[in-house]
Amino acid sequence: EAQVTQNPRYLITVTGKKLTVTCSQNMNHEYMSWYRQDPGLGLRQIYYSMNVEVTDKGDVPEGYKVSRKEKRNFPLILESPSPNQTSLYFCASSSFSPGGGSNTEAFFGQGTRLTVV
Amino acid sequence: KQEVTQIPAALSVPEGENLVLNCSFTDSAIYNLQWFRQDPGKGLTSLLLIQSSQREQTSGRLNASLDKSSGRSTLYIAASQPGDSATYLCAVPETSGSRLTFGEGTQLTVNP
Repeated sequence: EAQVTQNPRYLITVTGKKLTVTCSQNMNHEYMSWYRQDPGLGLRQIYYSMNVEVTDKGDVPEGYKVSRKEKRNFPLILESPSPNQTSLYFCASSSFSPGGGSNTEAFFGQGTRLTVV
Repeated sequence: KQEVTQIPAALSVPEGENLVLNCSFTDSAIYNLQWFRQDPGKGLTSLLLIQSSQREQTSGRLNASLDKSSGRSTLYIAASQPGDSATYLCAVPETSGSRLTFGEGTQLTVNP
């Protein structure tokens, strides 16, 4: 089954304690991306990756890091989480970037609910 | 910069009713438009992808249309059921192509 898998689904942590949210896709997609969803602000892109070892900032990259060492994995790293990073996080993947063609369908993970206290 | 608007923000209907959700976007130079469903606190499930060359796309009781020139898309849900209750989001590629731009969503409640 084609899917994007995020872990963990829920996480409560304390300010400053480094954490990693994993994302893995089994569709051999080149493009992967992280979004956060907040009430009243909608979905905003954090980082994206066009391919292995190619990453770039989205709209709200501050406080986050990513890496793309393998095609299937795209972890999101919060080196020193703060309460304003409390949010619902989504990983997405598609064959190519959203502007890469008319047949590019995006698939999303189930989300990670992060609370930073 | 692409902006996406969805109307209405919320909709409550009785079971069995046919309904239309609206999505408008400012930059008509899009490759496609995608409709998603999101259940509370859950992930986004892709419902339909309409390519720029298409005017309609159908999946079961769902039918999505796309009018690029006017910057509009509609999602038609036939014979609504309580299980259709969710938030429906439309998304289009940002002009730069690096990401999707989402609308705020329409929260649908179908009452038994």
